[in-house]
Amino acid sequence: ILNVEQSPQSLHVQEGDSTNFTCSFPSSNFYALHWYRWETAKSPEALFVMTLNGDEKKKGRISATLNTKEGYSYLYIKGSQPEDSATYLCASLSYNTDKLIFGTGTRLQVFP
Amino acid sequence: EPEVTQTPSHQVTQMGQEVILRCVPISNHLYFYWYRQILGQKVEFLVSFYNNEISEKSEIFDDQFSVERPDGSNFTLKIRSTKLEDSAMYFCASSEGTSGGITSTDTQYFGPGTRLTVL
Repeated sequence: ILNVEQSPQSLHVQEGDSTNFTCSFPSSNFYALHWYRWETAKSPEALFVMTLNGDEKKKGRISATLNTKEGYSYLYIKGSQPEDSATYLCASLSYNTDKLIFGTGTRLQVFP
Repeated sequence: EPEVTQTPSHQVTQMGQEVILRCVPISNHLYFYWYRQILGQKVEFLVSFYNNEISEKSEIFDDQFSVERPDGSNFTLKIRSTKLEDSAMYFCASSEGTSGGITSTDTQYFGPGTRLTVL
């Protein structure tokens, strides 16, 4: 059974702090990892799709790394701002399937 | 920027009733999906749809569920006889699907969801 885990479940940081959280996934049959940012009452916003071991992607102050051999990805936010407050979801995709398997998410709150 | 839209935002229904949840995917996308999130649980895959037929479905997607693309723009999820445990947020998503096959690195773009409450 494919299980995707995220930690921590929630995180509270001060404005300006940098932060990171983890997504772990089974490495066998791995194809791609998706990261989403989800604010309440809005659509989950696609951040990254990552496939290659050692891949690193960046979007503004947000970046992510991927280790497919050990089955984890880190999401980093540099200089957190209140507007970064959201739930960050990762989802793993295996070969021969359309099915994204989601983690429980990390809920980030950034205090001014 | 193009986006996936869903209607209604909230649907309340009585147990045993049929509901249809509607989605308008991004216009040039070819692959469509439904996911759901029961309160407090993970987002879970229901079904994918490509080339006017179901591409893949989960064990949750039983005979009570069906999907349809009735015209060139809408994509619907029908639940024939709702149960209490169908109460959840239902998300539609679409992707380009230009590779034409299962498993791609295409981004799946999500709509804002329909909250279904079954009483």
